[in-house]
Amino acid sequence: GESVGLHLPTLSVQEGDNSIINCAYSNSASDYFIWYKQESGKGPQFIIDIRSNMDKRQGQRVTVLLNKTVKHLSLQIAATQPGDSAVYFCAENRGAGGTSYGKLTFGQGTILTVHP
Amino acid sequence: SQTIHQWPATLVQPVGSPLSLECTVEGTSNPNLYWYRQAAGRGLQLLFYSVGIGQISSEVPQNLSASRPQDRQFILSSKKLLLSDSGFYLCAWNPGQGEKLFFGSGTQLSVL
Repeated sequence: GESVGLHLPTLSVQEGDNSIINCAYSNSASDYFIWYKQESGKGPQFIIDIRSNMDKRQGQRVTVLLNKTVKHLSLQIAATQPGDSAVYFCAENRGAGGTSYGKLTFGQGTILTVHP
Repeated sequence: SQTIHQWPATLVQPVGSPLSLECTVEGTSNPNLYWYRQAAGRGLQLLFYSVGIGQISSEVPQNLSASRPQDRQFILSSKKLLLSDSGFYLCAWNPGQGEKLFFGSGTQLSVL
């Protein structure tokens, strides 16, 4: 069935390093992808999104890369800080077009731990 | 600016008791509203979504129901809770035709 999954469930990095969190998706019809950060006991916070007509998008310290050929999505965090420690989720819009609205399909999540 | 409120933050309920979780959105009109559930250490599963007052779509068969009595109010209910209903419940919204979801702070429900 359709799914969005992660290659690595946990990632530990040193403060100042760059982090890369990976995500694989299986629905080739998905046209919108999004990354969320979730701190313990809180709701997910939007980080960055990308449409399928793009292969790269940059934000503040974050970059999302989309490789549609291999159905792979990654989130790069530059100069990782202790405050970046959280669970990171990728999600895809399950259907093409506007009718799917916010019916996002979420991956399992990657735990990022940043050591001072 | 738009804000979303969800309460209570934590709830401990006995098996067989009823449930009512409430979510409200401020600063917008005609939002799409969603209820997600997150099991411990897992991703988010969509339970219900609503595109308007009284319009509820269920994504998975379950012991829960949802209602939207007002434009910016979304309620998650159960008549009799099961142990398997335990989890972290998240309300979310987005503008009509929007895709980016904005989440509330969540309710940690423990059914004992």
